[in-house]
Amino acid sequence: DAGVIQSPRHEVTEMGQEVTLRCKPISGHDYLFWYRQTMMRGLELLIYFNNNVPIDDSGMPEDRFSAKMPNASFSTLKIQPSEPRDSAVYFCASSPVVDEQFFGPGTRLTVL
Amino acid sequence: GIQVEQSPPDLILQEGANSTLRCNFSDSVNNLQWFHQNPWGQLINLFYIPSGTKQNGRLSATTVATERYSLLYISSSQTTDSGVYFCAGGPNFNKFYFGSGTKLNVKP
Repeated sequence: DAGVIQSPRHEVTEMGQEVTLRCKPISGHDYLFWYRQTMMRGLELLIYFNNNVPIDDSGMPEDRFSAKMPNASFSTLKIQPSEPRDSAVYFCASSPVVDEQFFGPGTRLTVL
Repeated sequence: GIQVEQSPPDLILQEGANSTLRCNFSDSVNNLQWFHQNPWGQLINLFYIPSGTKQNGRLSATTVATERYSLLYISSSQTTDSGVYFCAGGPNFNKFYFGSGTKLNVKP
């Protein structure tokens, strides 16, 4: 398996634009996680899915953020509208069980 | 939320040395984990250890849940061990808090 795949790897956008980050988990993994890493706030768990169902999105910072998992092989994290303070590295991880996570390489987002 | 304190914040070792990293939680957690982020940013899950001791090669971890702390041991350190080590945990995966990390630099 190729591991967790995230795209794009780098994204530069302007404030107010919609941003969509994508994640393809490892096949057969029932859990998918979205994390954000910034210098100021460190690593934060935003949301996680179990069998394509969002368990709790209370970690999502604002209503501007939304995440979906339409099927077992694809998830998106959308920011609309984006703001400079959303600049961060966004990681996706998947796991066969909730305690063994495999991380993607991350998407570095810069909002100008 | 739960406060997670990691120590030391920075650590420099000579290759071959041993080290102990510590993680303290302000409240009980049920899902304590250790992660390693290498200098290129890749994150790896090292241990899921809500209690007890686990070992994986040169790494081992011990969690004393009743006292709300966990230790990560690195023996015979190698340059590839360099990076940042994070611990994280919470009452469940809906509330999952990370420490600020221990930055390790292993010199050849």
